[in-house]
Amino acid sequence: DSGVTQTPKHLITATGQRVTLRCSPRSGDLSVYWYQQSLDQGLQFLIQYYNGEERAKGNILERFSAQQFPDLHSELNLSSLELGDSALYFCASTGGANNEQFFGPGTRLTVL
Amino acid sequence: AQSVAQPEDQVNVAEGNPLTVKCTYSVSGNPYLFWYVQYPNRGLQFLLKYITGDNLVKGSYGFEAEFNKSQTSFHLKKPSALVSDSALYFCAVRDPASGGSYIPTFGRGTSLIVHP
Repeated sequence: DSGVTQTPKHLITATGQRVTLRCSPRSGDLSVYWYQQSLDQGLQFLIQYYNGEERAKGNILERFSAQQFPDLHSELNLSSLELGDSALYFCASTGGANNEQFFGPGTRLTVL
Repeated sequence: AQSVAQPEDQVNVAEGNPLTVKCTYSVSGNPYLFWYVQYPNRGLQFLLKYITGDNLVKGSYGFEAEFNKSQTSFHLKKPSALVSDSALYFCAVRDPASGGSYIPTFGRGTSLIVHP
């Protein structure tokens, strides 16, 4: 158990809909990273928050947005969903002596 | 810019034999290198890291990795494979000169299959 929690584990929805994925980092970790994992694209970095502020942006679509709240949990909002958004979405937080990442169990999103 | 390559999509090995999963990297400075493992329907788990020092790094579950600066490689190894080692393995690199964002770049992953 990494200490990073994500809900829900599975999400099935239709094209055009909007969903929210939730992540809580390990106790004491201030950074949250969001990744998308799909068969054809591999593990893609989406966005990072540090202590409530956006720190870095990767390959995140404009239809996607995220935020980190004062209690440090983070939400990833995906809107106008398309079939191609079906993927595993992971969040991670950093800690340890050399800032290795600790990953949550992921949310599997299926868009029908 | 930083990048990492895992040249093999899949590695097959018999149980009890040694295994190697290959990784090469590119960074502008001295790299921070990581290996992660992902079991089916699970998140990535940290295995080991190289920051500085001894080129041979030992990690979890009997895995080790060898840093080779001249070949810009960080291959993952294990002397004797177990069927339970079958999983997806990711190499990652971070350039410490990238500042405070600590964003690693991950390889596409190598599927390790250990046959009984």
